[in-house]
Amino acid sequence: AQKVTQAQTEISVVEKEDVTLDCVYETRDTTYYLFWYKQPPSGELVFLIRRNSFDEQNEISGRYSWNFQKSTSSFNFTITASQVVDSAVYFCALTGANNLFFGTGTRLTVIP
Amino acid sequence: ETGVTQTPRHLVMGMTNKKSLKCEQHLGHNAMYWYKQSAKKPLELMFVYNFKEQTENNSVPSRFSPECPNSSHLFLHLHTLQPEDSALYLCSSSIPAGGHGDTQYFGPGTRLTVL
Repeated sequence: AQKVTQAQTEISVVEKEDVTLDCVYETRDTTYYLFWYKQPPSGELVFLIRRNSFDEQNEISGRYSWNFQKSTSSFNFTITASQVVDSAVYFCALTGANNLFFGTGTRLTVIP
Repeated sequence: ETGVTQTPRHLVMGMTNKKSLKCEQHLGHNAMYWYKQSAKKPLELMFVYNFKEQTENNSVPSRFSPECPNSSHLFLHLHTLQPEDSALYLCSSSIPAGGHGDTQYFGPGTRLTVL
């Protein structure tokens, strides 16, 4: 069965620091997709990235970057030069047969 | 309106009330989902609809009753709820759900409190 573990429950950093959010997953599927979502205080889950299991290239989008390593079943998310607006709960998710399996989320607080 | 909208944003109800949550998507998708988000628990999938047909019911109690009249609208009818049903209810949509990693886009959620 699919499982996503986000071991970091809460992280606090000072503005402009870099921060990495960890995600470890379990699956027996050979083809799968991984996602990261951001949930600001407003409640809406905002899609950040989708990565398929055959594409292990790291991706960078502005201050965001993702490191996908199949060998360790990890899909970590790094925010460079964090800003107060990055404060939110971040969820990692993995596809299942007909839906997504979410981790429990990491609450990131960026202190000005 | 763009994206996925949900109404109401906040709802307080007694255990004997009947209420409905509404979700509407303007993305041209054909799959819609209901999730429950409780404090300190992973998002729990409740229901999945593909082309208006229910394809997943994740052992949800019958006091939650979904309805999908068309691919753009999804309702969750609530009756005789319990206080432990208090949570954030999120709706999402995607192109048809086929286990192929289609990205789900979420609405802002309805914060439900059952007294």
